[in-house]
Amino acid sequence: GESVGLHLPTLSVQEGDNSIINCAYSNSASDYFIWYKQESGKGPQFIIDIRSNMDKRQGQRVTVLLNKTVKHLSLQIAATQPGDSAVYFCAENSAGGFKTIFGAGTRLFVKA
Amino acid sequence: DAGITQSPRHKVTETGTPVTLRCHQTENHRYMYWYRQDPGHGLRLIHYSYGVKDTDKGEVSDGYSVSRSKTEDFLLTLESATSSQTSVYFCAISESTGNEQFFGPGTRLTVL
Repeated sequence: GESVGLHLPTLSVQEGDNSIINCAYSNSASDYFIWYKQESGKGPQFIIDIRSNMDKRQGQRVTVLLNKTVKHLSLQIAATQPGDSAVYFCAENSAGGFKTIFGAGTRLFVKA
Repeated sequence: DAGITQSPRHKVTETGTPVTLRCHQTENHRYMYWYRQDPGHGLRLIHYSYGVKDTDKGEVSDGYSVSRSKTEDFLLTLESATSSQTSVYFCAISESTGNEQFFGPGTRLTVL
């Protein structure tokens, strides 16, 4: 299937543990941030987003944290499951522009 | 991938031949995008469309052209394919800029 990269940073976690995936974004003017999940052979899938007027947002088993001071974004996955194994990447957008910048991604392995 | 299809899903072609990839959406979203995904580069924007017959270049547009004659279809054409255009191509849609994009399943293109 479609692959996303052979040399991505990798995070390996035990099933049931919490996962934290980090992302440093590049543009201080970015005001909208998204996390995507990409499974092997599939297109990226939206997980959660956050706007710059917030520093935390929670979804189902996922939490995104935004630290604008150091331009850092993180995705926390609670009680990680084998189905969470995928590549995760962050994206940033500024002022509703057409250009969304995507990070290269982190590969998450979940050990049963 | 609901509401977005890409065709073909796989294609092998020879250098110098023209290739057209199709993206079809049933969501009636105004904005459509073509990206390529290569190891070590993440997703890079080729072209985008902000309405019927309204298109513009992205960051890696050389060697590619697009057309959008109706809301639901966005075509990507490689006029004369080169080996450097071997990649996985993703189409995406969004209701507006500054919102999440939804991706299709991708097309793996190999140029020999």
